Amino acid sequence: SAVISQKPSRDICQRGTSLTIQCQVDSQVTMMFWYRQQPGQSLTLIATANQGSEATYESGFVIDKFPISRPNLTFSTLTVSNMSPEDSSIYLCSVPTAGGIGEQFFGPGTRLTVL
Amino acid sequence: QKEVEQDPGPLSVPEGAIVSLNCTYSNSAFQYFMWYRQYSRKGPELLMYTYSSGNKEDGRFTAQVDKSSKYISLFIRDSQPSDSATYLCAMTDRGSTLGRLYFGRGTQLTVWP
Repeated sequence: SAVISQKPSRDICQRGTSLTIQCQVDSQVTMMFWYRQQPGQSLTLIATANQGSEATYESGFVIDKFPISRPNLTFSTLTVSNMSPEDSSIYLCSVPTAGGIGEQFFGPGTRLTVL
Repeated sequence: QKEVEQDPGPLSVPEGAIVSLNCTYSNSAFQYFMWYRQYSRKGPELLMYTYSSGNKEDGRFTAQVDKSSKYISLFIRDSQPSDSATYLCAMTDRGSTLGRLYFGRGTQLTVWP
């Protein structure tokens, strides 16, 4: 299994500002994923981050709003830019396991509130 | 219509009860089905994994998949207060990228002593 940590665990931000969330994994992984979990909504994939290449974004998510960095095989950051109250959510990173298709380890999440 | 539908609950049961959690889906290409458990202020953790149709049992937990009806279930026998959590169904197909999971909204379960 992989151990994943995220920083910060929570934050309260003002609208119009940006927040960078860090995700650290205790082993080297090729793929890392970023999800958003809005209150009462499904866990939704934002983007897939591969080391050494541009992140691949899902429909409805754009790089200008959610820039992602993947400088090495154990670390990634997600920035939520020009925040509005609608960005209030839990943001989670995950990595695939060595098991079946779809199995993932998730980080503890970053709880973001935008005022 | 959302790809995956799940009744969000909340569901509250006494200790020892049998719990049934369900999801329906619309995409017939889904072949891999999962149940994740998420405790408060934690990330989801994989609970059960099933490929295609059929049943899978692991201790007090049983996962069922009925592809003909596009319906999956998770049964918890002899439920315990420690089972209190949000249960998320998730699924994907062979052609998706490894991260392209489709989740239900999650069902919040409380088991009271």
